[in-house]
Amino acid sequence: GDSVTQMEGPVTLSEEAFLTINCTYTATGYPSLFWYVQYPGEGLQLLLKATKADDKGSNKGFEATYRKETTSFHLEKGSVQVSDSAVYFCALSDQNTGFQKLVFGTGTRLLVSP
Amino acid sequence: DTAVSQTPKYLVTQMGNDKSIKCEQNLGHDTMYWYKQDSKKFLKIMFSYNNKELIINETVPNRFSPKSPDKAHLNLHINSLELGDSAVYFCASSPRSGEQYFGPGTRLTVT
Repeated sequence: GDSVTQMEGPVTLSEEAFLTINCTYTATGYPSLFWYVQYPGEGLQLLLKATKADDKGSNKGFEATYRKETTSFHLEKGSVQVSDSAVYFCALSDQNTGFQKLVFGTGTRLLVSP
Repeated sequence: DTAVSQTPKYLVTQMGNDKSIKCEQNLGHDTMYWYKQDSKKFLKIMFSYNNKELIINETVPNRFSPKSPDKAHLNLHINSLELGDSAVYFCASSPRSGEQYFGPGTRLTVT
């Protein structure tokens, strides 16, 4: 079945550091890929998405590129802020389920200190 | 305006009780979902409904019964609550095959 693997957290960075959170996936079809963010005590918000190979999703300074050859969708940001502290989830949805089921990774907690 | 809302936000109850969580979306989406997030933050889909019709049921115990009175609402009723049901339950909605928008979550604690 489909699955998503994320790097273990927490990731601890100083403000203005470069961020990479690794995500790889296994899917039987041609998935769409997503990054969601969950701030403390809140629900999930869609951060960015990519629907086909070589697409780059970007939002709020975050970027991720859909790499079919390495089945990866790594999240990057050039300069993190304290306000970026949150849990980040990589997810996919697959045409086999009509794109109606999100399969999530285990989440990676990011802690940014001033 | 809240796009996807859930009530209650917190629910504390005893084992064996029956409880319901309500979800409403004002986005005009056709599809609604319930997800469960456990204590380690792992998220897993429970159900999805498309226009009031059950589409996905991910081997959830029969004690969990979703009800969709119309396409803007998807409620979750849980019978005979168990300690292991303690979690955060998220409702979400999407246009057909589109990106999902999540509610704020309901933290259920079973004592």
